[in-house]
Amino acid sequence: QSALTQPASVSGSLGQSITISCSGVSSDVGGYQHVSWYQQYPGKAPKLMIYEVRNRPSGVSSRFSGSKSGNTASLTISGLQAEDEADYYCSTYRTNLLFGGGTKLTVL
Amino acid sequence: EVQLEESGGGSVQPGGSLRLSCAASGFTFGNFWMYWVRQAPGKGLVWVSRINSDGSTITYADSVKGRFTISRDNAKNTLYLQMNSLRAEDTAVYYCTRDWRNLGFDYWGQGTLVTVSS
Repeated sequence: QSALTQPASVSGSLGQSITISCSGVSSDVGGYQHVSWYQQYPGKAPKLMIYEVRNRPSGVSSRFSGSKSGNTASLTISGLQAEDEADYYCSTYRTNLLFGGGTKLTVL
Repeated sequence: EVQLEESGGGSVQPGGSLRLSCAASGFTFGNFWMYWVRQAPGKGLVWVSRINSDGSTITYADSVKGRFTISRDNAKNTLYLQMNSLRAEDTAVYYCTRDWRNLGFDYWGQGTLVTVSS
């Protein structure tokens, strides 16, 4: 199964907002509310940032938000901070669990 | 406190076997679907296998089907992954994680590295 499509990299300045897209098809992103986003620092385990398209787990900053339009899900980070620099992965359901290829966020 | 702790990784030659374990604590292990996810060096996350709460439903990624076996012991709060006929492309950090809300995985282990090389 091919991964969901994410940009390989995005960058933004401190305090700016950025959006990471996650493109799929109607049988995965477009067909389910099972879209999640994970933040991962090098050498560390992933951390759940968004589940069910737009819900934040307890303890995750409100600067992180999720949305979906058609077959594309998005993660928006507002008020960029240095500690947001990490890799971000989307995931959803298509027969089984499917991940995006990952996006490296650089904070300038 | 919820904790997942993997063990059993290491170096093995192609064709060899390893058994990974994931010890769970701090929650009712038997209530959750559990997953194995792997990450090759410098690469992204890839789903490997999943098992439902009582072990009656199991699924594998095509890349490991017929070689890997997932299982669980709810009495011991432990998830397992038996890996046979290992290949170089199985080299990765293996994470166990629990499905908290509709494929939202809220807790992950620290990962265990499996290296397959001659």
